[in-house]
Amino acid sequence: NAGVTQTPKFRILKIGQSMTLQCTQDMNHNYMYWYRQDPGMGLKLIYYSVGAGITDKGEVPNGYNVSRSTTEDFPLRLELAAPSQTSVYFCASSYSDFYEQYFGPGTRLTVT
Amino acid sequence: AQSVAQPEDQVNVAEGNPLTVKCTYSVSGNPYLFWYVQYPNRGLQFLLKYITGDNLVKGSYGFEAEFNKSQTSFHLKKPSALVSDSALYFCAVSGAGSYQLTFGKGTKLSVIP
Repeated sequence: NAGVTQTPKFRILKIGQSMTLQCTQDMNHNYMYWYRQDPGMGLKLIYYSVGAGITDKGEVPNGYNVSRSTTEDFPLRLELAAPSQTSVYFCASSYSDFYEQYFGPGTRLTVT
Repeated sequence: AQSVAQPEDQVNVAEGNPLTVKCTYSVSGNPYLFWYVQYPNRGLQFLLKYITGDNLVKGSYGFEAEFNKSQTSFHLKKPSALVSDSALYFCAVSGAGSYQLTFGKGTKLSVIP
């Protein structure tokens, strides 16, 4: 099993550009999550999904959108990129809310 | 609202000595508590969790943690530190029925040879 995979690994965006961060898991987990990690700040939840077709906002959703059309995929869309979105983005999945989350390797995004 | 505090940004310990990484939490109702480890340029890896039952939880790589309800703490411990334990450690909490996991800011553990 590949676990949780994320693409791309690195990306540089100009202010105002858009992009989609891809996330795929092959563990048949219903729950999926997007986090951003900033230095010294821990991880902040952006969006989460408890199953295909169901998504909800986390702590820091502004400037992002998600969709969940399949169990495996949970893409994160950045519209009109801003320097404040410079961060490392992690996708994770879990079987349920009290099961451990499995994390992808991350995407390092720089907006200039 | 739920929250996690990791009061130490960095912990230094000599190889072979016991280590403790502290965590306190605040949540409504019964907590689900987790510890994760992050090595440089990697995603987080699960170490252990407390959901219910025995207050002493054993996890991966010889780590354990003790749930203390009265002190709302969930400190991570290991009897004998290894240089390879050097990493960033995160404590996280979720309230029962909440889909959101709240992470602490992380504690950098350095094990000195």
